[in-house]
Amino acid sequence: GENVEQHPSTLSVQEGDSAVIKCTYSDSASNYFPWYKQELGKRPQLIIDIRSNVGEKKDQRIAVTLNKTAKHFSLHITETQPEDSAVYFCAASKDSSYKLIFGSGTRLLVRP
Amino acid sequence: GAGVSQSPSNKVTEKGKDVELRCDPISGHTALYWYRQRLGQGLEFLIYFQGNSAPDKSGLPSDRFSAERTGESVSTLTIQRTQQEDSAVYLCASSLPVSDTQYFGPGTRLTVL
Repeated sequence: GENVEQHPSTLSVQEGDSAVIKCTYSDSASNYFPWYKQELGKRPQLIIDIRSNVGEKKDQRIAVTLNKTAKHFSLHITETQPEDSAVYFCAASKDSSYKLIFGSGTRLLVRP
Repeated sequence: GAGVSQSPSNKVTEKGKDVELRCDPISGHTALYWYRQRLGQGLEFLIYFQGNSAPDKSGLPSDRFSAERTGESVSTLTIQRTQQEDSAVYLCASSLPVSDTQYFGPGTRLTVL
């Protein structure tokens, strides 16, 4: 079955710097890749997603890139702010099932 | 509109007891998912309901776990003879028909003593 690996497990950046989180997936049939942000004690919130027919997607300070050949995708956050501090999860799914297979998460700390 | 809701928000039980967790999806969302999140870890898929199709139970960790869904509305996840390793947050999500985007509920934090 599908396996999603996520790195790094923790990331500390200075406010204003950029942060990059990377994920790899194993099932070449996966075609949907969302990113969720989870603040302490809260539910996961979708922040951006990308489908396999697109190589890059951007929404204000966040962007996601997808390399289907290498089977990896990345989250980029620019001009980080303290409120970006949270755990970020990548995930992958495919049309036949839609169930999300999640990475292990990255704890991002933005230092003021 | 109203989001996905779950109850109870917290449940403390003794080892060996049965528990039932409830999920109310967003109205009109025919797909419903259950995930488990152990402390400090990622989300593990448990089960998926889509309309009247047979559920995908491939993520259920043992036969102590089961779930039901009434039509396209409420779902209950039942854990029988709870064990300490069942302690986790159980999250429910729903989505529109033939859609990728899943919206999560607040979760039920289960503690098995």
